[in-house]
Amino acid sequence: ETGVTQSPTHLIKTRGQQVTLRCSSQSGHNTVSWYQQALGQGPQFIFQYYREEENGRGNFPPRFSGLQFPNYSSELNVNALELDDSALYLCASTLDLDSGNEQYFGPGTRLTVT
Amino acid sequence: AQSVTQPDIHITVSEGASLELRCNYSYGATPYLFWYVQSPGQGLQLLLKYFSGDTLVQGIKGFEAEFKRSQSSFNLRKPSVHWSDAAEYFCAVGALTGGGNKLTFGTGTQLKVEL
Repeated sequence: ETGVTQSPTHLIKTRGQQVTLRCSSQSGHNTVSWYQQALGQGPQFIFQYYREEENGRGNFPPRFSGLQFPNYSSELNVNALELDDSALYLCASTLDLDSGNEQYFGPGTRLTVT
Repeated sequence: AQSVTQPDIHITVSEGASLELRCNYSYGATPYLFWYVQSPGQGLQLLLKYFSGDTLVQGIKGFEAEFKRSQSSFNLRKPSVHWSDAAEYFCAVGALTGGGNKLTFGTGTQLKVEL
């Protein structure tokens, strides 16, 4: 059983550009959440996808968008990058929507915006 | 809305000493509570979780945490710290709300272990 994987590991982009981050969920998990972790901070919830539908969103602007595919993998897209978007982006998968279920985190993608 | 406070940004302990990391939460109902650990450049690993029942929860790597409803606290403890425990520790509260099944994290406590 493979864990949660994310790609790429590191990414450097210029302000104004667009970026796509990818996540493969753990086998059998149909729910994927994305978090942003700025330096020295705890992760902050961006949004969650359940069976290909967005199922909740944190306090992030619409230029943060996502997708979930039939195999439950997911993408996070960020348009019009800003310097403050520099952070570690974490993907987490869970068995279903029950908040008691553990969220399994991937290693993250480190995004640097210059 | 739920929130988590970890009052200690940095803690330094000697190897073999006991450890307690503090966590206070705010949530309108019975919370789901978690402790995660993050090593440099890594994702988050779950140490333990509390849903209901026994308020003293055992986790991996010898960690335990106690849920105290009256104090809105969920402090993490370890009787004897090992050098490999040096990492950042995050307390989180989980909630299934209209906004999705999300975790709200504290700002973390950086643990340094002196040999």
